[in-house]
Amino acid sequence: EDKVVQSPLSLVVHEGDTVTLNCSYEVTNFRSLLWYKQEKKAPTFLFMLTSSGIEKKSGRLSSILDKKELFSILNITATQTGDSAVYLCAVEGYSGAGSYQLTFGKGTKLSVIP
Amino acid sequence: NAGVTQTPKFRVLKTGQSMTLLCAQDMNHEYMYWYRQDPGMGLRLIHYSVGEGTTAKGEVPDGYNVSRLKKQNFLLGLESAAPSQTSVYFCASSYVFGARGTYEQYFGPGTRLTVT
Repeated sequence: EDKVVQSPLSLVVHEGDTVTLNCSYEVTNFRSLLWYKQEKKAPTFLFMLTSSGIEKKSGRLSSILDKKELFSILNITATQTGDSAVYLCAVEGYSGAGSYQLTFGKGTKLSVIP
Repeated sequence: NAGVTQTPKFRVLKTGQSMTLLCAQDMNHEYMYWYRQDPGMGLRLIHYSVGEGTTAKGEVPDGYNVSRLKKQNFLLGLESAAPSQTSVYFCASSYVFGARGTYEQYFGPGTRLTVT
């Protein structure tokens, strides 16, 4: 059974801090790892990672994948109150019959206080 | 371009009642998914579809049925609702990996269902 574990489950920081969110996984036939940000409603896509060691960056957010150690981290520098959200990690694995599925972690709830 | 839409947004059911949640996407995506999200449980896949007329079970399929009669629509049915089905339901869709080089799933706004 595919498994995705995120840590910490919740985190409270002050504006300007840098945070690192962790995601470890066990999945058969791994294809990619995705990060989503979920505020009040639907998750919105942040990054998709398929190769080890290649950092993806978007503004103050960055992420990297280690396929040997089976984990990924999401970094947010100079945090702002608008970064407060649940961050979801999901891993894509082959489920057979030509299709792929995402298995989601439980999420990390980040709260940024002024 | 509306993306992924879901109806209804909220619903309260009594135990034993039935209902259908509708998901529609206008991005010509092949794949569509239904997830449920419960506190502390993350998103769990209920059923998914890799194309019109095909459906498959996900992680938590019991108590739900789905149909994909048209490519743009994916319906989730509850035949006899139970309190354990109280949850927020998200629909998502995506292209087939390789066709566009991405597997990003686009999510709808969610349906909050309460079963009393």
